[in-house]
Amino acid sequence: GQQVMQIPQYQHVQEGEDFTTYCNSSTTLSNIQWYKQRPGGHPVFLIQLVKSGEVKKQKRLTFQFGEAKKNSSLHITATQTTDVGTYFCAGPIQGAQKLVFGQGTRLTINP
Amino acid sequence: DGGITQSPKYLFRKEGQNVTLSCEQNLNHDAMYWYRQDPGQGLRLIYYSQIVNDFQKGDIAEGYSVSREKKESFPLTVTSAQKNPTAFYLCASIPLSGGTEAFFGQGTRLTVV
Repeated sequence: GQQVMQIPQYQHVQEGEDFTTYCNSSTTLSNIQWYKQRPGGHPVFLIQLVKSGEVKKQKRLTFQFGEAKKNSSLHITATQTTDVGTYFCAGPIQGAQKLVFGQGTRLTINP
Repeated sequence: DGGITQSPKYLFRKEGQNVTLSCEQNLNHDAMYWYRQDPGQGLRLIYYSQIVNDFQKGDIAEGYSVSREKKESFPLTVTSAQKNPTAFYLCASIPLSGGTEAFFGQGTRLTVV
């Protein structure tokens, strides 16, 4: 079954508010990836984290990988309407052959 | 242009019929994956393949079958044994050597009528 859990399932914010989604794995991951899926679209790769405790930034997006390499988070500062979509984390299971996705967090924004 | 092509974009199937979804990539990627997406359930792995003529079951393989006769192609057959096939199906590929970023096709929306 699913080994990568993601919360919350839904998040609605006012434009300008911050947003965070959390990802937890039952096993240690060699890396964690984050994807964004716009409504009606397909997932698009955002970033990959590899090192324990790693933090990466992309403009208003901050990604963290936990020290134990079992959890990760994506934080968006001052959301904009272009941030609308579903954010997924994904990790390789069973020797990196099986790429498993979290359930995703759907972000909606009130302009 | 390099990429992954899924066809058709929309597909309607009568109950009891098998249907095959196409996935073709010209990225020279080694690994290919099929996911099913239902509202609120994220992406669930159906089958994946690392090399030609070899593939493994994912978490929800029952009622589905695949083949990997060519590196570029990984078709998915939804059989009549799949009890609830209506969903959005996504195909992805990964290069394996040189990165693990997954590239997705546009998806096929299958509806059973």
